[in-house]
Amino acid sequence: EPEVTQTPSHQVTQMGQEVILRCVPISNHLYFYWYRQILGQKVEFLVSFYNNEISEKSEIFDDQFSVERPDGSNFTLKIRSTKLEDSAMYFCASSPGQGIKNYGYTFGSGTRLTVV
Amino acid sequence: AQSVTQLDSHVSVSEGTPVLLRCNYSSSYSPSLFWYVQHPNKGLQLLLKYTSAATLVKGINGFEAEFKKSETSFHLTKPSAHMSDAAEYFCVVSPDTGRRALTFGSGTRLQVQP
Repeated sequence: EPEVTQTPSHQVTQMGQEVILRCVPISNHLYFYWYRQILGQKVEFLVSFYNNEISEKSEIFDDQFSVERPDGSNFTLKIRSTKLEDSAMYFCASSPGQGIKNYGYTFGSGTRLTVV
Repeated sequence: AQSVTQLDSHVSVSEGTPVLLRCNYSSSYSPSLFWYVQHPNKGLQLLLKYTSAATLVKGINGFEAEFKKSETSFHLTKPSAHMSDAAEYFCVVSPDTGRRALTFGSGTRLQVQP
């Protein structure tokens, strides 16, 4: 069964450093998403991406965050200057079409980011 | 606006006994509702979904959920728990339109005792 692959599984970074989280969505999927879960809190939506542009983003997704699909296979989330409160599990997801109702999302296993 | 409340953060059952994980939602439109499961070090896996068809929805691994509009509930059940069911379960609501974000509940950790 096709999978969404996220690397690394765990990343530790120093406060103020830039970090890039990588995701390889399922190959024929067109919509891509990032969610995060701070320890002990709910999974929260960050951003959705389609046709090489952001289609929706949450209030969390401020100027410190960016996404791109640099090479047609990877989908990355960059945090420019990490803060302690960015420590969380970050989930990537992809879907073949628009809307979970008809197409469903496939989630990756997550990257645990720890900012020290 | 929409929200999801999972009423129990932890549920512990014995193997072979029924499982009930509770979820209430609020939504200003006709929502789609989902249950996802997360096993340790694994991704979020879709268990089942309700998308305005039958109110009783059957999913994988013997789980099912019933959509009750009058109670705004979407509780997850399984007649007989198995050790492999131990995981974190998330109730999720989505608007009935395309691209908007999913809203997750806070999760319920299911423990299955031998």
